[in-house]
Amino acid sequence: GENVEQHPSTLSVQEGDSAVIKCTYSDSASNYFPWYKQELGKGPQLIIDIRSNVGEKKDQRIAVTLNKTAKHFSLHITETQPEDSAVYFCAAYNTGNQFYFGTGTSLTVIP
Amino acid sequence: DSGVTQTPKHLITATGQRVTLRCSPRSGDLSVYWYQQSLDQGLQFLIQYYNGEERAKGNILERFSAQQFPDLHSELNLSSLELGDSALYFCASSRRQNPHTDTQYFGPGTRLTVL
Repeated sequence: GENVEQHPSTLSVQEGDSAVIKCTYSDSASNYFPWYKQELGKGPQLIIDIRSNVGEKKDQRIAVTLNKTAKHFSLHITETQPEDSAVYFCAAYNTGNQFYFGTGTSLTVIP
Repeated sequence: DSGVTQTPKHLITATGQRVTLRCSPRSGDLSVYWYQQSLDQGLQFLIQYYNGEERAKGNILERFSAQQFPDLHSELNLSSLELGDSALYFCASSRRQNPHTDTQYFGPGTRLTVL
């Protein structure tokens, strides 16, 4: 089956700096890669996603890049704000209709 | 508020017991997904239903079962509970059956504690 690895597990940045979270996947049949933000006591919330036929996608301060050859994708958050502090999960969805999640990154933005 | 409701919010029970978790999807959503989140296993996909039919199955144990009713609400049944089943159980919903054409909206979760 699919194996999704996520790094780093914790990340602290100063407010205004950028944060980058990286994920790798093993199944070349995976074709959809969402990113979720989970705040304390809440369910995950989709913040951005990318499909396998696209290399990059941007939504305001958030961007995702996908390298299909290397089987890795990354989340980039620019101009970080304290409200960006949360746990972020990457996921891979494959043609077997399965979702596989990374282990999460706890992001802390220091004011 | 995502529009997805889950009950109960918390559930404490004993090993060997059976519990039922309930999920009401957002209005108009036909797909329901169940996930388990634990410290050991992280976030895991359990099962998906679309318009009453099972569509995809993930790491769901045989002791667990789910169904989606004609009014589109869903229930996750967990039986012969073990300590290791203690976790947060999330339900999510979306309009269509194919996740990568649609956004999933997660509910607030049910925290299950097995003593």
